[in-house]
Amino acid sequence: GDSVTQMQGQVTLSEDDFLFINCTYSTTWYPTLFWYVQYPGEGPQLLLKVTTANNKGISRGFEATYDKGTTSFHLQKASVQESDSAVYYCVLGDNNNAPRFGAGTKLSVKP
Amino acid sequence: EAAVTQSPRSKVAVTGGKVTLSCHQTNNHDYMYWYRQDTGHGLRLIHYSYVADSTEKGDIPDGYKASRPSQENFSLILELASLSQTAVYFCASRGRNYAEQFFGPGTRLTVL
Repeated sequence: GDSVTQMQGQVTLSEDDFLFINCTYSTTWYPTLFWYVQYPGEGPQLLLKVTTANNKGISRGFEATYDKGTTSFHLQKASVQESDSAVYYCVLGDNNNAPRFGAGTKLSVKP
Repeated sequence: EAAVTQSPRSKVAVTGGKVTLSCHQTNNHDYMYWYRQDTGHGLRLIHYSYVADSTEKGDIPDGYKASRPSQENFSLILELASLSQTAVYFCASRGRNYAEQFFGPGTRLTVL
């Protein structure tokens, strides 16, 4: 079945470090992909969305590129801040049923 | 602004009791979802619905029922609450055509 894999359960960085979070997906079609962010005590919210039409999403300094060849959708940010500390979810869109969430990656940024 | 509200925001229930969690959306969205989140873990899908009066099982439906009496409302029912159902529950809604999901603030359920 369709799935999303995030292998990094936790990432710890210092402010101004480069962020890279792995995400790979498995599906038989070309999906729409999302990154959601969840801050402590809140529900998840959309960070960015990428379709087969645009291939790349940029939002709040974060960037993700859709690579059909490697079936990857990694999240990057050049310089993280303490306020970026949160849990990040890679999500495989499904228009007919339920989106598939990855396990999540908890980012902790030290000041 | 899309809005999803949940009630109650927090609840303490006794083992074996019945619990109903409610979700209301004003987004005019077709799809609604219930997830649970255990401390330090990710989201797991319990039930979802894409039209009123119909619900679908998610990945972990056992011990839960869902009800979608109208487009705006989606309830999660625990007929016999158990200790293992202590968690935070999130509701979400979504429009058509691979639209984003909008999540509610969550309900913290503690079963004693």
